[in-house]
Amino acid sequence: TQLLEQSPQFLSIQEGENLTVYCNSSSVFSSLQWYRQEPGEGPVLLVTVVTGGEVKKLKRLTFQFGDARKDSSLHITAAQPGDTGLYLCAGGGADGLTFGKGTHLIIQP
Amino acid sequence: EAGVAQSPRYKIIEKRQSVAFWCNPISGHATLYWYQQILGQGPKLLIQFQNNGVVDDSQLPKDRFSAERLKGVDSTLKIQPAKLEDSAVYLCASSLAPRTGYGRSYNSPLHFGNGTRLTVT
Repeated sequence: TQLLEQSPQFLSIQEGENLTVYCNSSSVFSSLQWYRQEPGEGPVLLVTVVTGGEVKKLKRLTFQFGDARKDSSLHITAAQPGDTGLYLCAGGGADGLTFGKGTHLIIQP
Repeated sequence: EAGVAQSPRYKIIEKRQSVAFWCNPISGHATLYWYQQILGQGPKLLIQFQNNGVVDDSQLPKDRFSAERLKGVDSTLKIQPAKLEDSAVYLCASSLAPRTGYGRSYNSPLHFGNGTRLTVT
């Protein structure tokens, strides 16, 4: 079974600050997806990264897939209250998609 | 396009009772998933269907949980009898078939419904 560790588990910062959350595993994944989930809703896909070393930008969000395809990071610049939510990474492999436990992010105005 | 539809949104039952959840995936999505999400945690896969066949049910507690996907479209998940630890949000998701590129197969994005919040008392 492939395991994904996400850190930190909880993060509360002020509006305007920058932050990085991490997704790590000892397993190699064919792809890695990041989702954001808001209370009472299902997760919504933010990005899929497939190539080792790949960097994708989505407005103020920057996603990076590790060179060895075992880890990923999500960096948010100038965080806003609308970024508040549960950020989940999911690794794709022979066993299908495996989700981490997520990072609970709160951006205080 | 219409999203993944789930019902009911909320359900409260007593332990040992039975409950069923319904899911209608996005039209054309061959793959359907049921996930269990306990409060504060990530989704845990219960069962995956490809069309109307089961691909993975290794984490489905088969003594009390069952799921079917008749005609390869809608799906139902049933719990009988329910236990206190079954309290969770049950998420349904659908996706297109896996994609191929960069010399390997990788998962298509999952489209989730808003889930059913089950409380077992």
